[in-house]
Amino acid sequence: QVQLVQSGTEVKQPGASVTVSCKASGYTFNNYDINWVRQATGQGLEWMGWMNPKTGTAESAQKFQGRITMTRNTSTTTAYMELRSLRSEDTAVYYCARWGKILWFGELLSKHYYNAMDVWGQGTTVTVSS
Amino acid sequence: IVLTQSPGTLSLSPGERATLSCRASETISSHYLTWFQQRPGQAPRLLIFGSSNRATGIPDRFSGSWSGTDFTLTISRLEPEDFAVYYCQQYATSRTFGQGTKVELK
Repeated sequence: QVQLVQSGTEVKQPGASVTVSCKASGYTFNNYDINWVRQATGQGLEWMGWMNPKTGTAESAQKFQGRITMTRNTSTTTAYMELRSLRSEDTAVYYCARWGKILWFGELLSKHYYNAMDVWGQGTTVTVSS
Repeated sequence: IVLTQSPGTLSLSPGERATLSCRASETISSHYLTWFQQRPGQAPRLLIFGSSNRATGIPDRFSGSWSGTDFTLTISRLEPEDFAVYYCQQYATSRTFGQGTKVELK
C-alpha cells in the first residue's frame, strides 16, 4: 500500500541541525512532490516547503528560507528535510506528505485535475532543548 | 494568502450539525481549497479537495461549499469519530493552512 515512513524522534541542542527522512513505498516516487509540514505542540499545521523528487527542485516558505534544505535519494525512494540553526521554537512534530494528483470527473464527464496532500507520514518529533 | 477559520472551537453533541468556516484574505478559485481532519495523536487526513469533492473513503455526511472568499465544511450529523480538529488549506499561491477549528464534545 502507499505509505510514507518517517525517521524516529530527535532531541537537539539549540544551534544544531536536524535531518528528518521520509521513505516512500507503494507508488512511483519520482512522480509525486513531497511536502513538509510541521506542528508545534497544541498548535496548528505550518507548511514548510515542497520538493520534486524527479528534478530535485524545491521551494520553501519564506519563513524557512536559508535554514531548510530538502533533498532526496531516488534509489532508496527517500526524501530528506534538514533544518539548521535550531531554536526552541522549532520543537514540533514534522510531517512529510505526498502531493497527490487527483483526476475527478464532473458534470457531463468533464475532467478536472486537483492536487492535495493525500498521504502523510506518521510524524517525527523534534525537540530542541539545552 | 491568509486563511482564517472560525469558530476556534465548536462544542456540539453527536447527531448535531457542524458548520465550519474558512475565509481567504484574497480571492482564490475553489479549485485550490482543501480540508483536512486531524484526530488527537494522528497525522492529518484528507477530507475534501477542490472545495467540495470528498476524498476516497470519506462519508457523505461531510460536504464542502463556497461563496466568494468564504469556504464552508459541513458535517451533517456528527458521529463520535468526527470530534477532531479541522484545517483548511490553499494552494493558489504557495501553500498555507488555516489555524484550525476544534470540534469538541459538548
